Amino acid sequence: QITLKESGPTLVKPTQTLTLTCTFSGFSLSTSGVGVGWIRQPPGKALEWLALIYWNDDKRYSPSLKSRLTITKDTSKNQVVLTMTNMDPVDTATYYCAHIVRGSRCYFDYWGQGTLVTVSS
Amino acid sequence: EIVLTQSPATLSLSPGERATLSCRASQSVSSYLAWYQQKPGQAPRLLIYDASNRATGIPARFSGSGSGTDFTLTISSLEPEDFAVYYCQQRSNWPPHFGPGTKVDIK
Repeated sequence: QITLKESGPTLVKPTQTLTLTCTFSGFSLSTSGVGVGWIRQPPGKALEWLALIYWNDDKRYSPSLKSRLTITKDTSKNQVVLTMTNMDPVDTATYYCAHIVRGSRCYFDYWGQGTLVTVSS
Repeated sequence: EIVLTQSPATLSLSPGERATLSCRASQSVSSYLAWYQQKPGQAPRLLIYDASNRATGIPARFSGSGSGTDFTLTISSLEPEDFAVYYCQQRSNWPPHFGPGTKVDIK
């Protein structure tokens, strides 16, 4: 079955760079049509889509955060990494990675448990 | 960018009642709209994709309808486990943002 799990720091300081890793199983990012995305959710607020990467290394970013985000994949390790630069307290959120429904481009059918990242000095 | 609005923000109902949630897009998204359910402390769960298709394992009491700019998620008879927040998401245009959510709570 498909599982995903996020890992990374729980606390980062303002201006630092956040690096999150999504480790998954049950599918391969070298298979045509497969993709993984990142979504975040500030405490008590709505979901916000951040970035996607597909099997062919096509990448998409939220326009409002594009200058700060980088998404990469390591197919051999079954991992997707998201980096976000210049972190600010408003970036405090639970960060989720999720598997993309094949053929949908951006619906998410399997989600990780999420990881809470707090930005504070 | 396409903006999604959801109404009402909160829906207070009793178990067994019918829930009708609305999602409106700022421009046509054809039928490219999904619905998710999120319970406190949990990741979202995909309920409906492309407006009216139930995702794997989703009970038949959940149904979706609509096209263009107006969409509805209906829960025919609320079960205790259905009290949650519901989000819509479009995939017609980039970026595929989510709506602000509707909370269904117990009256």
